[in-house]
Amino acid sequence: NAGVTQTPKFRVLKTGQSMTLLCAQDMNHEYMYWYRQDPGMGLRLIHYSVGEGTTAKGEVPDGYNVSRLKKQNFLLGLESAAPSQTSVYFCASSRGTSGNNEQFFGPGTRLTVL
Amino acid sequence: QQQVKQSPQSLIVQKGGISIINCAYENTAFDYFPWYQQFPGKGPALLIAIRPDVSEKKEGRFTISFNKSAKQFSLHIMDSQPGDSATYFCATPWGGFKTIFGAGTRLFVKA
Repeated sequence: NAGVTQTPKFRVLKTGQSMTLLCAQDMNHEYMYWYRQDPGMGLRLIHYSVGEGTTAKGEVPDGYNVSRLKKQNFLLGLESAAPSQTSVYFCASSRGTSGNNEQFFGPGTRLTVL
Repeated sequence: QQQVKQSPQSLIVQKGGISIINCAYENTAFDYFPWYQQFPGKGPALLIAIRPDVSEKKEGRFTISFNKSAKQFSLHIMDSQPGDSATYFCATPWGGFKTIFGAGTRLFVKA
């Protein structure tokens, strides 16, 4: 099993450009999450999904959109990138609610917005 | 919103020493308190977790101590090794489906 994979690993954007980050998991997990990690701020939840076709906002959703068209995939979109979105993005999945279950993380995507 | 306060921000320990990281949380209706370990360039991975029907859980050199009345839990790494050098995050449940993470502690174990 590959676990949780993320594409791409690195990306540099100019302000105003758009992009989509892809997350895939092969563990048949219902729950998937997108986090951003910034120095000294830990992991902050952007959006999450409790099942195929569902999405919900986390702590810091502004400037991002998500879609979960297939159970195994969770896409994170930036419509108009801003320098404040420079960060490392992690996708995670869990068998049950993350409040009571282990989360499995992908390797991350390092995004720089110039 | 649930908040988790983790300390210290960074920690330097001699090889063979004990590393101690603390977390304080606010109210929670859930009973699951994990610690995640993250190596540079990698995603976090679950290290150890406790459900507070017990006050302590030990797995090898890693121990979680839980104080429900004080709303605190800590990670102890005994006989710390250079390979333990990583960032450690505590976490607590929030709002049913989500997890709130502490800000992280960067541990460096000197050989």
